[in-house]
Amino acid sequence: GIQVEQSPPDLILQEGANSTLRCNFSDSVNNLQWFHQNPWGQLINLFYIPSGTKQNGRLSATTVATERYSLLYISSSQTTDSGVYFCAVGTGGGADGLTFGKGTHLIIQP
Amino acid sequence: GAVVSQHPSRVICKSGTSVKIECRSLDFQATTMFWYRQFPKKSLMLMATSNEGSKATYEQGVEKDKFLINHASLTLSTLTVTSAHPEDSSFYICSAIPLAGTYEQYFGPGTRLTVT
Repeated sequence: GIQVEQSPPDLILQEGANSTLRCNFSDSVNNLQWFHQNPWGQLINLFYIPSGTKQNGRLSATTVATERYSLLYISSSQTTDSGVYFCAVGTGGGADGLTFGKGTHLIIQP
Repeated sequence: GAVVSQHPSRVICKSGTSVKIECRSLDFQATTMFWYRQFPKKSLMLMATSNEGSKATYEQGVEKDKFLINHASLTLSTLTVTSAHPEDSSFYICSAIPLAGTYEQYFGPGTRLTVT
């Protein structure tokens, strides 16, 4: 099956800093999503981005499908940005289950 | 929009009993729902794909007789953990894809199962 690797596994930053999270995948995908898992376990949809670039406030994401990677940018980090960020991909015909990376654990210190 | 709920949020049961978890899409219809499990400090693993009106498709290594899935309507899928054992203790999360639109999946808040 497809492999999804996220880096870095852990990241500690000061409030106000910028960060870049990376997701590499081993095969073509037709779905790529970025999530933030809050302390209660809820997965919050950040981006649905199988290709291209999107921005939402302080967050933006870019997926280069031909090179099999995606990047999540967080600017001007806030303590509420802390948590685990997952990249997940889907292959096949479309409505397939997602394969998740192991996540990046982000800690923003005040 | 695109809200998915799960019930219960937490459940504790005794070894050997069965537990049913419900997953509902509140403001959209979904022919396809998914069930994942997550162990502490680990990633999510897909267990099965639930299709309305047909049998679920299970991932390799997931026992279909232990994890019964029923997708009886376009807004409800249920996961029943039968004859639960302590090793079934986990965080179970469902997701759904709206009928209209892209393949973006929306996730429920999860159900924490503890088997004693």
